[in-house]
Amino acid sequence: NAGVTQTPKFQVLKTGQSMTLQCAQDMNHNSMYWYRQDPGMGLRLIYYSASEGTTDKGEVPNGYNVSRLNKREFSLRLESAAPSQTSVYFCASSPDRTSTDTQYFGPGTRLTVL
Amino acid sequence: LAKTTQPISMDSYEGQEVNITCSHNNIATNDYITWYQQFPSQGPRFIIQGYKTKVTNEVASLFIPADRKSSTLSLPRVSLSDTAVYYCLVGDNVVGTGRRALTFGSGTRLQVQP
Repeated sequence: NAGVTQTPKFQVLKTGQSMTLQCAQDMNHNSMYWYRQDPGMGLRLIYYSASEGTTDKGEVPNGYNVSRLNKREFSLRLESAAPSQTSVYFCASSPDRTSTDTQYFGPGTRLTVL
Repeated sequence: LAKTTQPISMDSYEGQEVNITCSHNNIATNDYITWYQQFPSQGPRFIIQGYKTKVTNEVASLFIPADRKSSTLSLPRVSLSDTAVYYCLVGDNVVGTGRRALTFGSGTRLQVQP
């Protein structure tokens, strides 16, 4: 039981390049989330998926797209990376999208855009 | 959506009790209060959750006064390993309520000294 896994762990991109961050969970959770965390700051929600087949924008969705591939997997895509997207990206999952459900976080992907 | 206010940072020494207070003046009837802990280079992890009065687990206690406009996370006899950022979240337990995001905010950075 690995919990929430993310790939890659580190990535360096040049401005304008694209990439997809992968996230998978093996806890049979319905809801999944993508957050970003800038240095010294709290987490900001980018997108979430309340259940398989649905996605919704969070606080900072601009410049990102997501795909809920199936119940296990939720990917985040940067179509044209910008230096402002340099951050640590965390994926999380929870049984359902309520505050009483514990969110389980992955180890994060550290992204640098030059 | 209830907004939370926490101190930016706190300092303590090993063996002391630490109390971190979170203000949530606009908390709604259905809202629960949840605290997460984040170590450097890791994703947040759940500590404790409560609705009213007092909740205690093996890690911490959560005190919630009758008006529920604030809550206090209490860490007994902290050690160096308790150095982390602590986040207070407020949200309801209603599934599928649309675009209400669970906001982490900036948290409280606790530094424990020897």
